[in-house]
Amino acid sequence: NAGVMQNPRHLVRRRGQEARLRCSPMKGHSHVYWYRQLPEEGLKFMVYLQKENIIDESGMPKERFSAEFPKEGPSILRIQQVVRGDSAAYFCASSPELHSPLHFGNGTRLTVT
Amino acid sequence: KNEVEQSPQNLTAQEGEFITINCSYSVGISALHWLQQHPGGGIVSLFMLSSGKKKHGRLIATINIQEKHSSLHITASHPRDSAVYICAVRKYSGGGADGLTFGKGTHLIIQP
Repeated sequence: NAGVMQNPRHLVRRRGQEARLRCSPMKGHSHVYWYRQLPEEGLKFMVYLQKENIIDESGMPKERFSAEFPKEGPSILRIQQVVRGDSAAYFCASSPELHSPLHFGNGTRLTVT
Repeated sequence: KNEVEQSPQNLTAQEGEFITINCSYSVGISALHWLQQHPGGGIVSLFMLSSGKKKHGRLIATINIQEKHSSLHITASHPRDSAVYICAVRKYSGGGADGLTFGKGTHLIIQP
């Protein structure tokens, strides 16, 4: 049973480009969370999704960031017109139910040049 | 003031020592998580607890809901335990479900 798969592991983008981060949850997990870890800072919640629904996006920046979890395929975190301040590690976690332990992916490290 | 505070921020100990990492929180929670992040960056969930005590191998986690405090203990510490240990809480929410709120982590180094 594969764990939470995130790709790519490392992503380099120039300022103004788009970044797409993918997360495939564990089999049987319908709850997906995205977190961001800025350099030298702790993890911060971004968004919580279930299949085809955004449940809580209170941690998402108001502009340029969006997330989806379609009926088929991975969850996608999309950052448009990236800026240097978007450079961070982005982690995805999944769980089978709302109050279950979380399983984390290895993260995507985004570098904006 | 952060809603989740961990102490100490950094801890260096000798192999074999008993380690305690503390976490205090200031909000109502439905669960508390302890996570481990290795130098490579991957995150592993160690415990999720809402009351009492849990044990897994050399790791023990306790929580006191009334005092809003949790501790993570490592017995017979080993250099491979060197990592950042992160406390995170799931807050009670009104109608939906929040993600986790994280402490800043405790950077543990176990020297041989």
